[in-house]
Amino acid sequence: AQTVTQSQPEMSVQEAETVTLSCTYDTSESDYYLFWYKQPPSRQMILVIRQEAYKQQNATENRFSVNFQKAAKSFSLKISDSQLGDAAMYFCAVQGAQKLVFGQGTRLTINP
Amino acid sequence: NAGVTQTPKFQVLKTGQSMTLQCAQDMNHEYMSWYRQDPGMGLRLIHYSVGAGITDQGEVPNGYNVSRSTTEDFPLRLLSAAPSQTSVYFCASREGSGGWYNEQFFGPGTRLTVL
Repeated sequence: AQTVTQSQPEMSVQEAETVTLSCTYDTSESDYYLFWYKQPPSRQMILVIRQEAYKQQNATENRFSVNFQKAAKSFSLKISDSQLGDAAMYFCAVQGAQKLVFGQGTRLTINP
Repeated sequence: NAGVTQTPKFQVLKTGQSMTLQCAQDMNHEYMSWYRQDPGMGLRLIHYSVGAGITDQGEVPNGYNVSRSTTEDFPLRLLSAAPSQTSVYFCASREGSGGWYNEQFFGPGTRLTVL
């Protein structure tokens, strides 16, 4: 079984600043993958970044990076140089054998 | 490629009615799934399929039925709609039943209201 917890229902950041969204998870599987998805007001789910659990190196995609702490089962998302277009719901998710399980989401607001 | 398509975009049902939400993908993906999204609860897996003729239950399968007769289509049936099934429904697909790392592609969603 897998569970994902996002403890911050809402976050806000000033444009051009850096923000970190938290995520903790639990899984009984030895092999799994972690994802961050973004959902803007259009409702479309968009992949932001992914991490293979067996890799120690943290994934990076342009302004987005993760801090993956396997022992602590923590997978936070850092957004640098925040832009107005980053405003959205962000979901952390863990992929096991067949199932992708999502957290409750964090609503990110960007203040101009 | 159209990607993942869902119909209808919006639907209002009365309690007890049945209906089918349609989902199709043109990427030849083996894996397809259905999620529901409720406020404050993220997306929850209803059913999934690893290929034509193979389906299995997710976290919240009660009240829903699926079948997979072709690679492209994965319809979700509500047998007898209840107000608790008011939600936004997403269909998703990804490449390869063993390709856990592969990105899931999501459809645009169907907003369903049950009165």
